[in-house]
Amino acid sequence: GAVVSQHPSWVICKSGTSVKIECRSLDFQATTMFWYRQFPKQSLMLMATSNEGSKATYEQGVEKDKFLINHASLTLSTLTVTSAHPEDSSFYICSARAPSGRRTSYNEQFFGPGTRLTVL
Amino acid sequence: GIQVEQSPPDLILQEGANSTLRCNFSDSVNNLQWFHQNPWGQLINLFYIPSGTKQNGRLSATTVATERYSLLYISSSQTTDSGVYFCAVGDSGNTPLVFGKGTRLSVIA
Repeated sequence: GAVVSQHPSWVICKSGTSVKIECRSLDFQATTMFWYRQFPKQSLMLMATSNEGSKATYEQGVEKDKFLINHASLTLSTLTVTSAHPEDSSFYICSARAPSGRRTSYNEQFFGPGTRLTVL
Repeated sequence: GIQVEQSPPDLILQEGANSTLRCNFSDSVNNLQWFHQNPWGQLINLFYIPSGTKQNGRLSATTVATERYSLLYISSSQTTDSGVYFCAVGDSGNTPLVFGKGTRLSVIA
């Protein structure tokens, strides 16, 4: 299958600071990536759709000024949590669709390993 | 928007037992995927199966698109099968997936 990486895998920061999370497609290009958030023992909730070269599309209730998304290239999307607070502590996961090939199916999406954010 | 319901929410199995996990969805879809989330949070792709039947080792899946449900079969379960299994659906590869709440599976030796 296709490989999506995230960095960092975990981060602890103080309240009020900003944190940047990177999502990379390692062996394919992705014009569209997705950012999800997962709270403990809950399912994944979509935060935003990241489009290469254009503005991200945010889900209702997600503050675009707080969660800044930049998709500057076909292999990299970044999520910046600005002025983080303890309630932003969560598991952030990105995904991308890989092109169909020998080991991937058309429309199949692959997920990064996630970034665990803890805000003190 | 589309709704995804998974059942059962929790399942405890003895090692070696078989199980069936169900996913119901409220509208037609072009993308349906099953994932296993491991203890570190990584989502492992199990099946891409908007319709039909697929098998991979001890796992198999069937989606009946006309009746809007999918089933994941686990045979001869092992302790390493423990974790959360998610069903997720979408319209296309460039639209986000909508996840069910998952089935938390515990396989005990």
